[in-house]
Amino acid sequence: QQQVKQSPQSLIVQKGGISIINCAYENTAFDYFPWYQQFPGKGPALLIAIRPDVSEKKEGRFTISFNKSAKQFSLHIMDSQPGDSATYFCAVANAGNMLTFGGGTRLMVKP
Amino acid sequence: NAGVMQNPRHLVRRRGQEARLRCSPMKGHSHVYWYRQLPEEGLKFMVYLQKENIIDESGMPKERFSAEFPKEGPSILRIQQVVRGDSAAYFCASSLWDRDSNEQFFGPGTRLTVL
Repeated sequence: QQQVKQSPQSLIVQKGGISIINCAYENTAFDYFPWYQQFPGKGPALLIAIRPDVSEKKEGRFTISFNKSAKQFSLHIMDSQPGDSATYFCAVANAGNMLTFGGGTRLMVKP
Repeated sequence: NAGVMQNPRHLVRRRGQEARLRCSPMKGHSHVYWYRQLPEEGLKFMVYLQKENIIDESGMPKERFSAEFPKEGPSILRIQQVVRGDSAAYFCASSLWDRDSNEQFFGPGTRLTVL
């Protein structure tokens, strides 16, 4: 049973466009929702994270939108750049416990 | 402050051999997590350790796999009698113990190839 469903699996965006990646989860006990960025041959790196007491968090060009009642959260990348081309993973966790990852979204930003 | 270190970065083993993967957490971090990533897939949790203790091994296969995090030295993920299906990237992550923070910092991974 998949605890975290991520979509789309792949995404192509023009430079300067907005990239949107979505995740849905099932367990309402989760209280930490991070997004990780992974380049080929590298480990995942934390991009931005949110807790369920806020509905939106913005850091530079990256924004997380969180809908607690729908059990969904999304990553928006504004003004997408070719350097943003990578695989993005959403994840969920309880405090102090392991991360459960979505299946990943391969983003390609065309120049 | 060095990040999470893993070695070796690449490991080739023949079926039936043993694989030992090492992870040195970030300085000051006492929590280590191991994840496995199959090609074109997301990361799957394997085991969560604190110094000298296994906290959660619910993601670890019951046979052939073991993990430790001794008082001194790196955390070790050990795979005995490897099979082709063990070929994957193995990542470790470390964190501080902080009730309000889940942030995990990942190492570069060990890519295991079983011939």
